[in-house]
Amino acid sequence: SQTIHQWPATLVQPVGSPLSLECTVEGTSNPNLYWYRQAAGRGLQLLFYSVGIGQISSEVPQNLSASRPQDRQFILSSKKLLLSDSGFYLCAWDREANYGYTFGSGTRLTVV
Amino acid sequence: KQEVTQIPAALSVPEGENLVLNCSFTDSAIYNLQWFRQDPGKGLTSLLLIQSSQREQTSGRLNASLDKSSGRSTLYIAASQPGDSATYLCAVSSGGYQKVTFGTGTKLQVIP
Repeated sequence: SQTIHQWPATLVQPVGSPLSLECTVEGTSNPNLYWYRQAAGRGLQLLFYSVGIGQISSEVPQNLSASRPQDRQFILSSKKLLLSDSGFYLCAWDREANYGYTFGSGTRLTVV
Repeated sequence: KQEVTQIPAALSVPEGENLVLNCSFTDSAIYNLQWFRQDPGKGLTSLLLIQSSQREQTSGRLNASLDKSSGRSTLYIAASQPGDSATYLCAVSSGGYQKVTFGTGTKLQVIP
């Protein structure tokens, strides 16, 4: 069966520090991978998606970047965090059209 | 541009009641619709996935229906329990399989 792992679960980082969140999927190959952010009291915002190694599409211009160094690994990064980067970050995957999303357990990021 | 609306934003019911959560979308050209559950501080758990060719899906006490022509889906929860308390989100896939639009959710509280 397929599983998705996301870590860390919580993170408190000072303004201006770097960020690296990791997401990995097991039990499938060539998944579509997604990073979402959920700000307090707001809906889910798609940040990045990837349909293959090295292929990254950005939905929202911002202080963040994403990379996919391996087929089932998706990384969300920032060189210098802003207060506005605080939120709940979720990784998700699907395999093809009509398959449906599976989400990771999320990372709560607080920038102080 | 697809827009997804969930009404009501919050709902409080006594234990044992049957209830209906609503989701409406503006563009009927969808691939699928997915219902999720989110507990506080947690990721999204998929409940039901309805393909565009289907009218409904059932899992245990949950039944989701889809009416594409009217742009509506309902999630029916039978014999509600306190453990059903969570935020329920619907997500519509349209305009290509990377384009999933989420509603802002209905926060359900089931009172013992």
